[in-house]
Amino acid sequence: NAGVMQNPRHLVRRRGQEARLRCSPMKGHSHVYWYRQLPEEGLKFMVYLQKENIIDESGMPKERFSAEFPKEGPSILRIQQVVRGDSAAYFCASSPGTASNGYTFGSGTRLTVV
Amino acid sequence: AQSVTQPDIHITVSEGASLELRCNYSYGATPYLFWYVQSPGQGLQLLLKYFSGDTLVQGIKGFEAEFKRSQSSFNLRKPSVHWSDAAEYFCAVGAQGTDKLIFGTGTRLQVFP
Repeated sequence: NAGVMQNPRHLVRRRGQEARLRCSPMKGHSHVYWYRQLPEEGLKFMVYLQKENIIDESGMPKERFSAEFPKEGPSILRIQQVVRGDSAAYFCASSPGTASNGYTFGSGTRLTVV
Repeated sequence: AQSVTQPDIHITVSEGASLELRCNYSYGATPYLFWYVQSPGQGLQLLLKYFSGDTLVQGIKGFEAEFKRSQSSFNLRKPSVHWSDAAEYFCAVGAQGTDKLIFGTGTRLQVFP
């Protein structure tokens, strides 16, 4: 019974490149959440998705960031034209229902922009 | 708006000592409250959660937390800390019908032998 799978674990991108982060939720979980953790900070909510729908993207930067959760396949967080300030740990979590059930987190993707 | 405050950024305790990590929340309705632990380079693991009922909740690894509505607090406790408890601890709040959890900035726990 695999947990939430994120890949890659580590990603290095040069400024201006694109970063694609993948998240496969736990089996049976239809709700996916993306959070960003900056050094010495807590987790900041980015986006909440269900299959083929973005439910809440209030935490997503207005430009360069996008997320999807297609009918088939993992959820993808995409960052275009990365800048040094995008360097962070990006965590995906999933749940079978709303947030009141609590989340199961993946191990994260650590993005470094050089 | 919902918010979570963890006033202690860093706590150091000796192995075998008792532990209390503070968490205060701000939310108008009855909150759902959570404590997560994060080991270095890892994701977050759920320690315990409070929805309703008994205000003292038991979690994994010997942790417990007490919900005090009058103080808007949900402090995490452990009677005797082990060296393996060294990690970062996050308190989070959610509410019925909401879509996301709001996390505090975390408390880093160091344990000395």
